[in-house]
Amino acid sequence: GQQLNQSPQSMFIQEGEDVSMNCTSSSIFNTWLWYKQDPGEGPVLLIALYKAGELTSNGRLTAQFGITRKDSFLNISASIPSDVGIYFCAGRWSGTASKLTFGTGTRLQVTL
Amino acid sequence: SQTIHQWPATLVQPVGSPLSLECTVEGTSNPNLYWYRQAAGRGLQLLFYSVGIGQISSEVPQNLSASRPQDRQFILSSKKLLLSDSGFYLCAWTEQGRATEAFFGQGTRLTVV
Repeated sequence: GQQLNQSPQSMFIQEGEDVSMNCTSSSIFNTWLWYKQDPGEGPVLLIALYKAGELTSNGRLTAQFGITRKDSFLNISASIPSDVGIYFCAGRWSGTASKLTFGTGTRLQVTL
Repeated sequence: SQTIHQWPATLVQPVGSPLSLECTVEGTSNPNLYWYRQAAGRGLQLLFYSVGIGQISSEVPQNLSASRPQDRQFILSSKKLLLSDSGFYLCAWTEQGRATEAFFGQGTRLTVV
């Protein structure tokens, strides 16, 4: 089945630093999504990508849909304390019911 | 606008007891509905999805079942809970027929004791 490898597993950074994380898939996806999850909450959508090569920004967040359609990247610039949380990538291929496959998550910790 | 409600927020149940978690979506019609489980510190595992009333597909054989009695209502059940059923359960929806994003409920923290 589909597998998504997300890295790094966790990050400890200082406030103001930039952050990069990525996901790679064993198969092609048609859609890449990036979510953030706060403790005890459901994931919240950050960015959606629908086309290979697409680069999309949402404030300090920028994500890219890889050309090969097997990877995606998320960058956070000038991190702030509220960026703390777990970031998940998710991919979808053409198939029944728009099922998503999720990465294992990147836990981000921001120190002052 | 569309909203998704999931309850209860937390639940502590003894082993062998039944389970019923409910999810409803407002502001849309005929959504695709999903149940995910998240073990502590782990990613999301798809348990069930539904493309319409009474249509349920299971992704993982297990002690749980799902039902969709109404268009915007999705229920996760168990007749007898196991310790391994503990986790964070999330309901989600997507728009039918379009490759759109999935939107999640707030989740239910289930602890089986």
